[in-house]
Amino acid sequence: DGGITQSPKYLFRKEGQNVTLSCEQNLNHDAMYWYRQDPGQGLRLIYYSQIVNDFQKGDIAEGYSVSREKKESFPLTVTSAQKNPTAFYLCASSIASYSYEQYFGPGTRLTVT
Amino acid sequence: GENVEQHPSTLSVQEGDSAVIKCTYSDSASNYFPWYKQELGKRPQLIIDIRSNVGEKKDQRIAVTLNKTAKHFSLHITETQPEDSAVYFCAASPNDMRFGAGTRLTVKP
Repeated sequence: DGGITQSPKYLFRKEGQNVTLSCEQNLNHDAMYWYRQDPGQGLRLIYYSQIVNDFQKGDIAEGYSVSREKKESFPLTVTSAQKNPTAFYLCASSIASYSYEQYFGPGTRLTVT
Repeated sequence: GENVEQHPSTLSVQEGDSAVIKCTYSDSASNYFPWYKQELGKRPQLIIDIRSNVGEKKDQRIAVTLNKTAKHFSLHITETQPEDSAVYFCAASPNDMRFGAGTRLTVKP
């Protein structure tokens, strides 16, 4: 299960606090993605990055921010502006952004109270 | 952008029976259609994929069919086993990936 890691596995925060989720990959993949998974709603794309120093909004980017300063790392910040942040967050990477298998990390379950 | 719909949301079959999950997509530019399996508490993993220049692909008990004209593709699992129980996601990719809502498959022994 190596190759793409996320930490921590569980994260608890108080409402109003920003929190950053870590995603690291050693697969030499150019593209990286963040998804949110809620029961019955599949995987919804938050942000994706095709290359270092570049990223695009997905379908539900409001209240989230990302950076891609290194090829290996794509951290996601859940800001206080995100109205319903409690969810399971999955990071993924692929060799390129078009038409290639995505490899997923183990996920981070964020609970905000 | 791309919109992927997946049916059914839940599917229960007896061990040894076949299971079929169907997806439709909206963007005619989509050219890559993967299927992922997510077991309880684990990360999604690719089980099979198909590209738009192919109509069908098989891998042992799993097959995927693609109808580009109708913009739909299906996953077929034959001789189901209890370990096939999981949530299955379809996806379509024009230039990024969009997933269906998932199908929870239960295989009863």
